[in-house]
Amino acid sequence: DTEVTQTPKHLVMGMTNKKSLKCEQHMGHRAMYWYKQKAKKPPELMFVYSYEKLSINESVPSRFSPECPNSSLLNLHLHALQPEDSALYLCASSGPTGVGGNTIYFGEGSWLTVV
Amino acid sequence: GDSVTQMEGPVTLSEEAFLTINCTYTATGYPSLFWYVQYPGEGLQLLLKATKADDKGSNKGFEATYRKETTSFHLEKGSVQVSDSAVYFCARINAGGTSYGKLTFGQGTILTVHP
Repeated sequence: DTEVTQTPKHLVMGMTNKKSLKCEQHMGHRAMYWYKQKAKKPPELMFVYSYEKLSINESVPSRFSPECPNSSLLNLHLHALQPEDSALYLCASSGPTGVGGNTIYFGEGSWLTVV
Repeated sequence: GDSVTQMEGPVTLSEEAFLTINCTYTATGYPSLFWYVQYPGEGLQLLLKATKADDKGSNKGFEATYRKETTSFHLEKGSVQVSDSAVYFCARINAGGTSYGKLTFGQGTILTVHP
């Protein structure tokens, strides 16, 4: 069964706080992703890690800092966020790409509220 | 560029009605196609996928066929249940290259099923 686990499920933070979102997968996938989703909108890609190296940064503000400690873990460090950063943050993972593409599996998400 | 277009929502049906949600995609490259479902307050779940022309994806009574000639991937279910109420996203991804990990989503279709 596919499983991407995210913690915490809910986070409320002030604009001066530093917090982190965590993600873990045990499917042997070598690509991991952070997406941001606002209410009633499709998810937007933020970062892609491939074999623990950052391969795509979709011009995300530096107040979001990703980290991939190993092939199973992905963190998103948050600092000096703005209220408009409040959203659902989705972690995802996938196997190697190739002919026919890859399948991306999502976690349950972390609901972030910035006050 | 790559894009996915879904039918406008919301869609409201009675239980046991037939469901169709239309989805068309741009034909660049050799995309894999997906339907994701998002239940209220949850993350995205992969509902079904198809990786090449004429493939049919199916799961939980839902079906979609990869139609290259019409660049379509319409989602269908013969008899919907109240528990199918959710947001449905059609998505595409190219195989490898610089598009690695970049899912392109449609705008999402809200489905509400009444008893």
